[in-house]
Amino acid sequence: QQQVKQSPQSLIVQKGGISIINCAYENTAFDYFPWYQQFPGKGPALLIAIRPDVSEKKEGRFTISFNKSAKQFSLHIMDSQPGDSATYFCAASRVDSWGKLQFGAGTQVVVTP
Amino acid sequence: KAGVTQTPRYLIKTRGQQVTLSCSPISGHRSVSWYQQTPGQGLQFLFEYFSETQRNKGNFPGRFSGRQFSNSRSEMNVSTLELGDSALYLCASSQKSRGETQYFGPGTRLLVL
Repeated sequence: QQQVKQSPQSLIVQKGGISIINCAYENTAFDYFPWYQQFPGKGPALLIAIRPDVSEKKEGRFTISFNKSAKQFSLHIMDSQPGDSATYFCAASRVDSWGKLQFGAGTQVVVTP
Repeated sequence: KAGVTQTPRYLIKTRGQQVTLSCSPISGHRSVSWYQQTPGQGLQFLFEYFSETQRNKGNFPGRFSGRQFSNSRSEMNVSTLELGDSALYLCASSQKSRGETQYFGPGTRLLVL
């Protein structure tokens, strides 16, 4: 049973456009929600993370929106660039769970020139 | 600081053999987590070690085991390899354990023939 559901599976966006990836969770004990970016042949790299006491967090062109009541969070990539073409994973962890991140299935983003 | 390093980067084994993978965390990080990444199952948590103690374990058979040394370096072992064990094995380190950012290594690509 996947505890973090991620959509879409893939998306194609033009250079300069906005990429939006959504994640939903069921477990209200989750209290840490990171997003990771992974390029082929590389390990996941942390992009940005949020905790439930904040509804939005922005770092450069990347923004997380968090809706605690709906148990949903999303990643927005503004002004998408070809170098953003990668697989993006949302994840969640529980306060009482040592080192365990629950990952979404991933979204493959392709930014066309 | 140097990032998380994993050795070897690539490995080919045959069914029934065993394999040991190594992970060196970022200097000062005491928590090491291991994940298995496959196209079908995505990123799945294997186990987490902190100060040489396993504190959390995912839903994997007993053939998967690990350990951590006093210098925080960690190894994972898979015995009696099966074809389905072919995957990218990722190690991640963090300073503490709960709710902390995890930094991933490049992974070890294991192919079981």
